[in-house]
Amino acid sequence: DAGVTQSPTHLIKTRGQQVTLRCSPKSGHDTVSWYQQALGQGPQFIFQYYEEEERQRGNFPDRFSGHQFPNYSSELNVNALLLGDSALYLCASSSNLYEQYFGPGTRLTVT
Amino acid sequence: AQRVTQPEKLLSVFKGAPVELKCNYSYSGSPELFWYVQYSRQRLQLLLRHISRESIKGFTADLNKGETSFHLKKPFAQEEDSAMYYCALSDSGNEKLTFGTGTRLTIIP
Repeated sequence: DAGVTQSPTHLIKTRGQQVTLRCSPKSGHDTVSWYQQALGQGPQFIFQYYEEEERQRGNFPDRFSGHQFPNYSSELNVNALLLGDSALYLCASSSNLYEQYFGPGTRLTVT
Repeated sequence: AQRVTQPEKLLSVFKGAPVELKCNYSYSGSPELFWYVQYSRQRLQLLLRHISRESIKGFTADLNKGETSFHLKKPFAQEEDSAMYYCALSDSGNEKLTFGTGTRLTIIP
């Protein structure tokens, strides 16, 4: 089991564009959470998906949206990119009541 | 609102010396507390959670509800302990995690 995988590893976008990040959970996990980690900060919770629905959301604008597929993989979409969206985006997967396992992250740079 | 504070951004300790990484939190209910660690070029991983009361890699952390603290301790530092450490809390084990800003621990040989 490769654990949680994320793609792409790195991404460069221009302000105003849209981006889609992908996450495959660890085998046996059904819950996916997304976090944004700005430079020098701890990860900040964006939202969590379970049974293909958004179960909980952090303090992020509607420009941030997501999706979970029947195979439990997930996408994070960010519209109208701002310079401040430049960060490491982490995906974490879990199975009910157990610890969250993190992926390696996608480094997004907005120019 | 829930908040996690790690007052030290950087901490350097000599090998063999005791280590203490501080974590304070504010939360109105009964949170679950965690320590996550990120070694160089590795992904973020769980080190320990207060509910399991385990000692992992020689590290322990005691939840002090009176002082709202969850400090991470190890009696004798080892070089492989050099890493970034994050304290985090959640409503329950599988809910959103609120992280502190992290402490970079460097063990001096």
